[in-house]
Amino acid sequence: DAGVIQSPRHEVTEMGQEVTLRCKPISGHNSLFWYRQTMMRGLELLIYFNNNVPIDDSGMPEDRFSAKMPNASFSTLKIQPSEPRDSAVYFCASSLVASAGELFFGEGSRLTVL
Amino acid sequence: AQSVTQPDIHITVSEGASLELRCNYSYGATPYLFWYVQSPGQGLQLLLKYFSGDTLVQGIKGFEAEFKRSQSSFNLRKPSVHWSDAAEYFCAVGQGNMLTFGGGTRLMVKP
Repeated sequence: DAGVIQSPRHEVTEMGQEVTLRCKPISGHNSLFWYRQTMMRGLELLIYFNNNVPIDDSGMPEDRFSAKMPNASFSTLKIQPSEPRDSAVYFCASSLVASAGELFFGEGSRLTVL
Repeated sequence: AQSVTQPDIHITVSEGASLELRCNYSYGATPYLFWYVQSPGQGLQLLLKYFSGDTLVQGIKGFEAEFKRSQSSFNLRKPSVHWSDAAEYFCAVGQGNMLTFGGGTRLMVKP
C-alpha cells in the first residue's frame, strides 16, 4: 500500500519566493494534517482537514501561509512570500476520523529559505 | 490546554540494555496517549496507543508503555534495545484527531 506521499522532498528557495508543498494522503483516509518541525519549536500542528474541510487552522503562523484540499486525494500548503524563519521540515499526515489519533506521516518536505 | 513533557532530550544506552523513556502529560479528562518513533529523514510512525482499559499496552518492535493516572505518566519501555532502535521518540496526547506532541527524546545506542 502506498503511504502518504509528499513533494518535493527538498526545496531551497530565496526569501520572497512562493513555495508550494504537496501531499497525497492514503486512499480512504478522511483527515489530513500539516505539521511543521523545527529544532526550536518541535512538532507544531499547522492545520487539519476533515472530509476536505478545514477544521482548525489556528496553528497557521500568519497570512503568508495558506492550505487547500480541493479533493480527498490532494492537499497543498503554500507560503507566499517565504522568509528564512520558515525553514523547517513540513510533514503531512492522514488518518481516519474514527481512528482517534492514529496518524500516518509522509516523509516530509525539507524547506530551506535563503 | 493539553501538554506533553518529555524530560530527557537525549538518552544513550548500550545495545542489549533495557530502556525507559519518560513522558508526562497534562490533560483535563481521560487522555488518549501515543508513542511515535522517527528515524532520521523519515516521518513519524506509531509505536503504540492507549485509549482505555489495561494500563499496560504493547506496541510494535517489542515496545510497551504503562499508563499511570496518579503520576500523569505514560513511559515507554523495552527490555533489550537493538542498534536499529536508535531514533527520536515522541509522546503525544490526543483530543479527537488532534495530537499534541512532546519535544521528543533522541535515543542513541552504543555497541
